[in-house]
Amino acid sequence: GAVVSQHPSRVICKSGTSVKIECRSLDFQATTMFWYRQFPKQSLMLMATSNEGSKATYEQGVEKDKFLINHASLTLSTLTVTSAHPEDSSFYICSAVDIYSGNTIYFGEGSWLTVV
Amino acid sequence: GEDVEQSLFLSVREGDSSVINCTYTDSSSTYLYWYKQEPGAGLQLLTYIFSNMDMKQDQRLTVLLNKKDKHLSLRIADTQTGDSAIYFCAESPNTNAGKSTFGDGTTLTVKP
Repeated sequence: GAVVSQHPSRVICKSGTSVKIECRSLDFQATTMFWYRQFPKQSLMLMATSNEGSKATYEQGVEKDKFLINHASLTLSTLTVTSAHPEDSSFYICSAVDIYSGNTIYFGEGSWLTVV
Repeated sequence: GEDVEQSLFLSVREGDSSVINCTYTDSSSTYLYWYKQEPGAGLQLLTYIFSNMDMKQDQRLTVLLNKKDKHLSLRIADTQTGDSAIYFCAESPNTNAGKSTFGDGTTLTVKP
């Protein structure tokens, strides 16, 4: 079946550096992908909607200059956490909608980011 | 804005049925989902139901939807220890199926 893959699954970076997380739809094209953030023992909060070929739409309170989203192709969206701080440590999950299979939503496996 | 609420914890004995409840506020919700998340893992879509349905059954899973009360439930029959996880209820509007609002998750503990 359709799969959404995220990479890396775990990453540790130093404060002040940037880290990129990739979200790929492996066997379907996704014009729209979504990025969520999940703090430990909490729910998923939508950060932004990633639109292929155009700017991402950010949810209220999400800093677009800090969380850069690029959806350069129909199968790849990237989230770059810039100038990372320890409070950015979280679980980041992406999802993609397969519009050709009844709008089925597929989630990636998630990426654990630890900023030290 | 949209709000999705769930009870935080549920504990059952192995072999019993589990019922996880969820309420939502958005009248335009068209897609309603149940996801499972095991520790340290991503989300696994268990099942979903469209708002024009009342019930959906898939093996051990039964989803009931009361659209009037905006109440959704997930019943797991013959609950096993492997079912221990966090279960998230989520809803999406018709206009943007992928933009989901999640509940806080119900931690299901299955005791042997």
